[in-house]
Amino acid sequence: SQQGEEDPQALSIQEGENATMNCSYKTSINNLQWYRQNSGRGLVHLILIRSNEREKHSGRLRVTLDTSKKSSSLLITASRAADTASYFCATDLQGAQKLVFGQGTRLTINP
Amino acid sequence: KAGVTQTPRYLIKTRGQQVTLSCSPISGHRSVSWYQQTPGQGLQFLFEYFSETQRNKGNFPGRFSGRQFSNSRSEMNVSTLELGDSALYLCASRTQGTDTEAFFGQGTRLTVV
Repeated sequence: SQQGEEDPQALSIQEGENATMNCSYKTSINNLQWYRQNSGRGLVHLILIRSNEREKHSGRLRVTLDTSKKSSSLLITASRAADTASYFCATDLQGAQKLVFGQGTRLTINP
Repeated sequence: KAGVTQTPRYLIKTRGQQVTLSCSPISGHRSVSWYQQTPGQGLQFLFEYFSETQRNKGNFPGRFSGRQFSNSRSEMNVSTLELGDSALYLCASRTQGTDTEAFFGQGTRLTVV
């Protein structure tokens, strides 16, 4: 079963708007990572947030982590058509040497 | 720095055949892990290798196997292919197996007919 549950499964917004995706998980983690995937291609690493961090920024990306609620969110500000992709959260479980992925959020940016 | 390289990019095989996929990690990265991506099951962990040792294995049948060489390059093999093995196979490279960023290759698209 998947560790992460992502919400929403699909999101469609206008260019320039902000997009927020959420991820929930079940067990203790070392860190949580967000990835982007364009149409059946490889995963592009976006950001890693460790279990002792609460917020992290990278360019137009802002990630938060709430370990008490076992949840994370990814905010993309000022969206662009090129942001159209699927976004996945992946939890890096303690002692497991593997990432466990959510089902992803399909983001569509309309011009 | 070169990224993770997977070969081949596309493969078409017949049921019952076997296939070998290759992954060259980022230079200096010693951990290589493999994932299967399908529309129905999403991204599923296959196995992870570090310094030629398999440290973790996902819930896949024994037809799925892998290995890692001394230069950290890794191969995975699927024997007696089934239609359900059709998927995108992704390889990830990390400096170590945990608590670091994982960088993925472009994947190998396997179609079993």
